[in-house]
Amino acid sequence: KNEVEQSPQNLTAQEGEFITINCSYSVGISALHWLQQHPGGGIVSLFMLSSGKKKHGRLIATINIQEKHSSLHITASHPRDSAVYICAVLDTGNQFYFGTGTSLTVIP
Amino acid sequence: DTEVTQTPKHLVMGMTNKKSLKCEQHMGHRAMYWYKQKAKKPPELMFVYSYEKLSINESVPSRFSPECPNSSLLNLHLHALQPEDSALYLCASSQDVAGILRTEAFFGQGTRLTVV
Repeated sequence: KNEVEQSPQNLTAQEGEFITINCSYSVGISALHWLQQHPGGGIVSLFMLSSGKKKHGRLIATINIQEKHSSLHITASHPRDSAVYICAVLDTGNQFYFGTGTSLTVIP
Repeated sequence: DTEVTQTPKHLVMGMTNKKSLKCEQHMGHRAMYWYKQKAKKPPELMFVYSYEKLSINESVPSRFSPECPNSSLLNLHLHALQPEDSALYLCASSQDVAGILRTEAFFGQGTRLTVV
């Protein structure tokens, strides 16, 4: 069993739809990251969370430490949002774990 | 400058070749990382350098040899690779070794390596 589980693995949405990607983890963490990886490989860090909620443009990330769960929301999705979204956690022992990623395709 | 620059972007090499991957950052970060990523899989940590010293080696075969000549530059020397080593190699940096996920992480665009 992976320490970090994401769902769904694949997601196809129509442009404009509200999208939610979920991440559950089994270890005690000091921080959780949402990363975005476009075709071609480069990874961009979207958010780092240790509690609560963060918003950046159309992206919102939330975390519930007690439930060991985080969500990434995309409002008014756009084809340029198509990418793989990866949840990654740093545990309290300074070990980091990556989820397997959610591949998002937004259709015009 | 908040970029991690990796060169080359693509590399095709034979199993008897010697090549090197290069990673550069000018953000003053003291921790730099090499990751290997196979298709549709999450990145796997290979090496961590902290203050130009190797601090983590995740049991990587010796055909991969990292080098950190200075605080801005990280190399990965490749020799006698196997076809299964074909992957995307990602470099990342952060302010300190415990910080790649505690602080903002910066990743390079990666080098797509094909071993023939």
